[in-house]
Amino acid sequence: SQQGEEDPQALSIQEGENATMNCSYKTSINNLQWYRQNSGRGLVHLILIRSNEREKHSGRLRVTLDTSKKSSSLLITASRAADTASYFCATDDLVMDSSYKLIFGSGTRLLVRP
Amino acid sequence: DGGITQSPKYLFRKEGQNVTLSCEQNLNHDAMYWYRQDPGQGLRLIYYSQIVNDFQKGDIAEGYSVSREKKESFPLTVTSAQKNPTAFYLCASSHRAQRLNEKLFFGSGTQLSVL
Repeated sequence: SQQGEEDPQALSIQEGENATMNCSYKTSINNLQWYRQNSGRGLVHLILIRSNEREKHSGRLRVTLDTSKKSSSLLITASRAADTASYFCATDDLVMDSSYKLIFGSGTRLLVRP
Repeated sequence: DGGITQSPKYLFRKEGQNVTLSCEQNLNHDAMYWYRQDPGQGLRLIYYSQIVNDFQKGDIAEGYSVSREKKESFPLTVTSAQKNPTAFYLCASSHRAQRLNEKLFFGSGTQLSVL
C-alpha cells in the first residue's frame, strides 16, 4: 500500500525562520492530511487538503499539493520554539469498496532554536 | 472536556505476561483505532473498530487482541505472543471508520516497555 515519505527526516532552524517539510506518496489520493506530534504525546490534526485543491492556509501554516508530482509541502512561517515537534503526512488508502484507511509517513522532526 | 484518555502513561511487561492498555473517549465517535509507533517511525495500524461489538485487524494485529463492548471504550491487550512489544501505543477515534476526509483524534499515548 502507498505511504507518505517526509523529507527531510530532521530539520533545525532559528526562531523566526520559515520551515518547509515535504511529503511524497506513490499512488493517487483523494486527500492528504498533516498531523503534529509533540514528544511523547499523541498526534494532533493540523490540516486536510483535497486532491482538487492546490493550496490551503491555516494561520501560519500553508499546505500545497501537487498531484502531478505526487507531493505535498507544509510551510510554517515565522516559526516559534513551540513549533518544535514531529510532523506527519497521512494519505488515504483504498481498502475495499468505499472503505479507506490512513497511511502515515515516518515524519519530519522539527527543532526551532530560540 | 471532550477527548480521548489513555492509561496508563507508562507500562512495564514481564516476559510471558499479558497487559491491557485502556482507551476511553467521550466524543461520541463510532470508530476507534489502535496504532503502534516505534522510535523515529510512523504509525502502524493494529486494530480498528467501526461499531460496538465489531473490530477488524489492521496491518500488524498478530500478538494483540481488542474488545469493543461499549462505544466509549476500546482496550488493547498485548499478549505474550507479541515478542517485541516495546513501543509507544496510540489510541484514536473518528466519527466514522474508513471513510474519506475523516480526521483522527488521538489520545496521549502509552509507552510499553519490557522488563
